[in-house]
Amino acid sequence: AQTVTQSQPEMSVQEAETVTLSCTYDTSESDYYLFWYKQPPSRQMILVIRQEAYKQQNATENRFSVNFQKAAKSFSLKISDSQLGDAAMYFCAYRHGANSKLTFGKGITLSVRP
Amino acid sequence: DAGVIQSPRHEVTEMGQEVTLRCKPISGHDYLFWYRQTMMRGLELLIYFNNNVPIDDSGMPEDRFSAKMPNASFSTLKIQPSEPRDSAVYFCASKAQNTEAFFGQGTRLTVV
Repeated sequence: AQTVTQSQPEMSVQEAETVTLSCTYDTSESDYYLFWYKQPPSRQMILVIRQEAYKQQNATENRFSVNFQKAAKSFSLKISDSQLGDAAMYFCAYRHGANSKLTFGKGITLSVRP
Repeated sequence: DAGVIQSPRHEVTEMGQEVTLRCKPISGHDYLFWYRQTMMRGLELLIYFNNNVPIDDSGMPEDRFSAKMPNASFSTLKIQPSEPRDSAVYFCASKAQNTEAFFGQGTRLTVV
């Protein structure tokens, strides 16, 4: 079975600084996708970024980028120029194939200091 | 589109009562997922449907839980009888083929 591990329960970053959130996963599949979701206090789940396993290039979305290390099964999220609105829980997630369920990590609470 | 719509947003019920959570997926989406979020277990899949047919219900905790999707625009998750350990946030999500899942706002269920 696939597993997703987020070992850091909490992190803090100074506004305008850069922070990296860690995630590792375990799978024997070759066709899979990885995601980072943001959950603010409103509890809405918001997709931040996705990465297809077959793509070597790391995904980027504005201030958000990933470091995808396929051999190490590592998928970290880097947030640049952190803003107060980035404060939230962040979940790493795995999906086998294009249309199956998401398997989530336990999440990490990110706080941003003004 | 209004996104995935869940109702109610909050539900407080007494132990032993029946609870029904509702979800309206995004129009045109043919996959629908029910997830549960708790402090102890995090986010876990309960069941998902494709074209109104249940594909994977291995996450449904026990016979007290049931889910239906009578048509492409509506799904229910029912708990009967409810227990305090069912207290959680229940999310519905929908997706189209080869696209990403969009989540509803969730229903916070409290069983007292």
